Amino acid sequence: DTEVTQTPKHLVMGMTNKKSLKCEQHMGHRAMYWYKQKAKKPPELMFVYSYEKLSINESVPSRFSPECPNSSLLNLHLHALQPEDSALYLCASSQVPQGSGRGQETQYFGPGTRLLVL
Amino acid sequence: QKEVEQDPGPLSVPEGAIVSLNCTYSNSAFQYFMWYRQYSRKGPELLMYTYSSGNKEDGRFTAQVDKSSKYISLFIRDSQPSDSATYLCAMSAVGYGLTGGGNKLTFGTGTQLKVEL
Repeated sequence: DTEVTQTPKHLVMGMTNKKSLKCEQHMGHRAMYWYKQKAKKPPELMFVYSYEKLSINESVPSRFSPECPNSSLLNLHLHALQPEDSALYLCASSQVPQGSGRGQETQYFGPGTRLLVL
Repeated sequence: QKEVEQDPGPLSVPEGAIVSLNCTYSNSAFQYFMWYRQYSRKGPELLMYTYSSGNKEDGRFTAQVDKSSKYISLFIRDSQPSDSATYLCAMSAVGYGLTGGGNKLTFGTGTQLKVEL
């Protein structure tokens, strides 16, 4: 099973709302990622969690707040977003790479949450 | 210069054609190479993974890596309309994950492919 699930599939929110995106995987992966993807662009890395600890924050504005409550779940809390934050938000997971060349570097993506900020 | 360059297309081919998709890169530290397929409004789906140089085949798909030229390719044989999608190359450097920090992929911009009946 290489499935990463994300909810909701679609989300419309106003600039004063607070909402959360959820991601779940049961592959035993201990690295999880949030990406933002705009139309006709590649995914842009936002955050990386490794062993449930935040290891990378790619200078993302504080209106995006990630959380990793356990090894299977990843949340992204949204507050006071701007219209330019409208995008497809993708979650991914992988094994924690050890440099062995055995494919641990491959990331498996969820279907994404399409977010529209009005 | 971007770290990874990929022709954005769009690329239009007839059904049954052999498709060649390519990426060039500048970072000689990249050792892990992936191809993802992304249908419109969906998440990327892993197609192929290659470590270091060489070829890898999986059904109608063949991935090639030439590290001396910093060039990777994905070939699709007997292309089908269902192959119509955006194809993203992605790569990462050895050792990035050894500090327990997960793995940072560098993506190409994606090539939009349309296979026509």
